[in-house]
Amino acid sequence: DAEITQSPRHKITETGRQVTLACHQTWNHNNMFWYRQDLGHGLRLIHYSYGVQDTNKGEVSDGYSVSRSNTEDLPLTLESAASSQTSVYFCASSESRDTQYFGPGTRLTVL
Amino acid sequence: AQKVTQAQTEISVVEKEDVTLDCVYETRDTTYYLFWYKQPPSGELVFLIRRNSFDEQNEISGRYSWNFQKSTSSFNFTITASQVVDSAVYFCALSEANNFNKFYFGSGTKLNVKP
Repeated sequence: DAEITQSPRHKITETGRQVTLACHQTWNHNNMFWYRQDLGHGLRLIHYSYGVQDTNKGEVSDGYSVSRSNTEDLPLTLESAASSQTSVYFCASSESRDTQYFGPGTRLTVL
Repeated sequence: AQKVTQAQTEISVVEKEDVTLDCVYETRDTTYYLFWYKQPPSGELVFLIRRNSFDEQNEISGRYSWNFQKSTSSFNFTITASQVVDSAVYFCALSEANNFNKFYFGSGTKLNVKP
């Protein structure tokens, strides 16, 4: 069955370290998204991509970057992790103009 | 201003009670989609329903029903005869015609169903 996976599911890192969160989908969806979920804020969009080599900033993109070299993967990189980036991160994918389907999430703690 | 407002932060009910989760949205587009997602304690986000702006018919799926009213910009979600397994955080979301791929999420309503 097609699915969307995220790895790692849990990560603890230190302030200043570079961290990469992986997202892989097998639906062959063009659109992929990264969100962060914090108490009281719901889900906030970090970055998104509408296809290979396309990336766009969301509402909370500072300190994050993404790259899209193939259809299946959209890794999220925290260039220099900060305590404010402690959060739960969700990846999602969709066909154009369609429902977004979410991965299981990655819980990131920055000490 | 928030595009999607879920004013109920947390609701507690006793099993078998009916409960309605409110969602109010704001958009200037005439074409848009509304969504509900469920996030159980295990943490994943589960898609429940998508409704487009041209379809105001209420939808029923088992114990779940959705009431879409354009006149009040609301898309409320009712669970009939609630069960403990309904305990979760529920999110309402909006996407607009100018960019259907961009979702605006409400802050979520946490539903506690007690036995």
